[in-house]
Amino acid sequence: GAGVSQSPSNKVTEKGKDVELRCDPISGHTALYWYRQSLGQGLEFLIYFQGNSAPDKSGLPSDRFSAERTGGSVSTLTIQRTQQEDSAVYLCASSVVGSGNTEAFFGQGTRLTVV
Amino acid sequence: EDQVTQSPEALRLQEGESSSLNCSYTVSGLRGLFWYRQDPGKGPEFLFTLYSAGEEKEKERLKATLTKKESFLHITAPKPEDSATYLCAVQAKGRSGNTGKLIFGQGTTLQVKP
Repeated sequence: GAGVSQSPSNKVTEKGKDVELRCDPISGHTALYWYRQSLGQGLEFLIYFQGNSAPDKSGLPSDRFSAERTGGSVSTLTIQRTQQEDSAVYLCASSVVGSGNTEAFFGQGTRLTVV
Repeated sequence: EDQVTQSPEALRLQEGESSSLNCSYTVSGLRGLFWYRQDPGKGPEFLFTLYSAGEEKEKERLKATLTKKESFLHITAPKPEDSATYLCAVQAKGRSGNTGKLIFGQGTTLQVKP
């Protein structure tokens, strides 16, 4: 596609349920990133993929959060046993390469609300 | 610790009233500084990358500059459509190589009134 695509655009879930968020990066982009943007907060880095491997998972807030990437393309961010503090906009970005000074292009985000 | 601070948090301008947004950064080694624009309900839109002190880049009414400690986003004769949140981010040199990870500031929300 022309840009980074994320689905769903909105997700409301009950506390304690698991959710999966999907990111389809720009074709040919080998690097993929997940960020979280909470109300009134800046963008918080979660995880970085280069191809299918994740050399930097330092931003994942707890072991309830996990992510995978398959075929060097689509990525899924999974949050288990969701809590209210997980409510935020989850943004995915991709770039041509992970190293070097290349810009990242963002998707529209998934707004997650945990009730 | 790598850190980015943007000021002011919010800025209101009249159409045509030029101003500047500030981004101060502390980073162990700078690989690049990025400016993004974010409209409500949308993902950040890339504007500029600056790599070294003294570098400047322009796009329409926007001009970004970089020193060793801060970056400015100058807005000349803004229009209402320039209203958005402007985000600054740095990409740091990592000890184990560069991951491309961006460290963002909190953003400056700009409102331009007609």
